[in-house]
Amino acid sequence: EPEVTQTPSHQVTQMGQEVILRCVPISNHLYFYWYRQILGQKVEFLVSFYNNEISEKSEIFDDQFSVERPDGSNFTLKIRSTKLEDSAMYFCASREPDGLSTYEQYFGPGTRLTVT
Amino acid sequence: DAKTTQPTSMDCAEGRAANLPCNHSTISGNEYVYWYRQIHSQGPQYIIHGLKNNETNEMASLIITEDRKSSTLILPHATLRDTAVYYCIVRPSYLNTGFQKLVFGTGTRLLVSP
Repeated sequence: EPEVTQTPSHQVTQMGQEVILRCVPISNHLYFYWYRQILGQKVEFLVSFYNNEISEKSEIFDDQFSVERPDGSNFTLKIRSTKLEDSAMYFCASREPDGLSTYEQYFGPGTRLTVT
Repeated sequence: DAKTTQPTSMDCAEGRAANLPCNHSTISGNEYVYWYRQIHSQGPQYIIHGLKNNETNEMASLIITEDRKSSTLILPHATLRDTAVYYCIVRPSYLNTGFQKLVFGTGTRLLVSP
């Protein structure tokens, strides 16, 4: 069964450093998402991406965050200057094109980001 | 988006049916009820969704009351691997803006015991 993959599984970085989290969505999917979950808290929506542009973003997704689909397979989340409060599990998700979809989102296993 | 209310936690014996309730009394006519689960900090996993009719798939059944103000997710024969946090999410139809995101609450922590 096709699945969303994410790398790395765990990233440790120092405050102020840039990090790039990588995701490979399911191959025929066209809608892509990032969510995050701070330890012990809810899963929070960050951003949705379609047709090479952001379709929706949350208040969390400020100027420090950016997303990109650099080629036909990868989808990345960049945090320019990490803060301690960015420590969280980051989940990538994707879904099928409209017309084929039940609009369910398929999630990856997550990247645990630890900012020290 | 309509707010949902779920019990914080539930227990179930292995092999028995697990019935997880959800209240969504402010749901509007074009909003769907989705259920996801999250097993121990893994990525959330889609289970089932419905609008007003009851639905069944290989994982679970979804019963939606006639007034659509509440629903119940049924795992017919719970196993230890069903131990997870279960999220009931109300979201607008794809015709509405904002339908893209999933808004997760705190969910119900289901513990399946031997």
